[in-house]
Amino acid sequence: AQTVTQSQPEMSVQEAETVTLSCTYDTSESDYYLFWYKQPPSRQMILVIRQEAYKQQNATENRFSVNFQKAAKSFSLKISDSQLGDAAMYFCAYRISYQLTFGKGTKLSVIP
Amino acid sequence: GAVVSQHPSRVICKSGTSVKIECRSLDFQATTMFWYRQFPKKSLMLMATSNEGSKATYEQGVEKDKFLINHASLTLSTLTVTSAHPEDSSFYICSALRGSGEAFFGQGTRLTVV
Repeated sequence: AQTVTQSQPEMSVQEAETVTLSCTYDTSESDYYLFWYKQPPSRQMILVIRQEAYKQQNATENRFSVNFQKAAKSFSLKISDSQLGDAAMYFCAYRISYQLTFGKGTKLSVIP
Repeated sequence: GAVVSQHPSRVICKSGTSVKIECRSLDFQATTMFWYRQFPKKSLMLMATSNEGSKATYEQGVEKDKFLINHASLTLSTLTVTSAHPEDSSFYICSALRGSGEAFFGQGTRLTVV
């Protein structure tokens, strides 16, 4: 079975500090996409960052960056200069043939 | 980014009645939409894939007759929870797939069956 594992149910970070959320996945496919989604209390799913598996370069979006290790099937999210608005559930996901598979999520708290 | 509108955001219904949830892609055409269910503090579980003009594809364990999906146009998919029971109470989320392969999510619908 294809799975996504987020081993940290909860994390906290001091405002302005950096935090890394872990994600590993298991697939036998070679062509896939990886995503991090944010779900704030409003429960609207928001795309944070995406990574194409065929690209070796790690994706970056402003304060958000990933560490993609394809061989290890690892896809961690680093949030720099954390802000109060970053507090949310974060879901790691991969997509194969248009279908998304989500991890169980990590609840991130930001401490003022 | 693209906009997907889901309606209603909240609904309370009596046990035994049916409830329809709409998912609309407002600024792009979506041949494929997805319906998810999310339990409190849990992840999104894919219920079914909705394909415009054809029957939906349901995930294992999801009752087709209970969760009716219709995707009659390129911008609208509906999920009807038939003969709802309290155990159907949950948060339902739709997403629409744009041509680029990007998925955009609706705001979700909190269903409470009393």
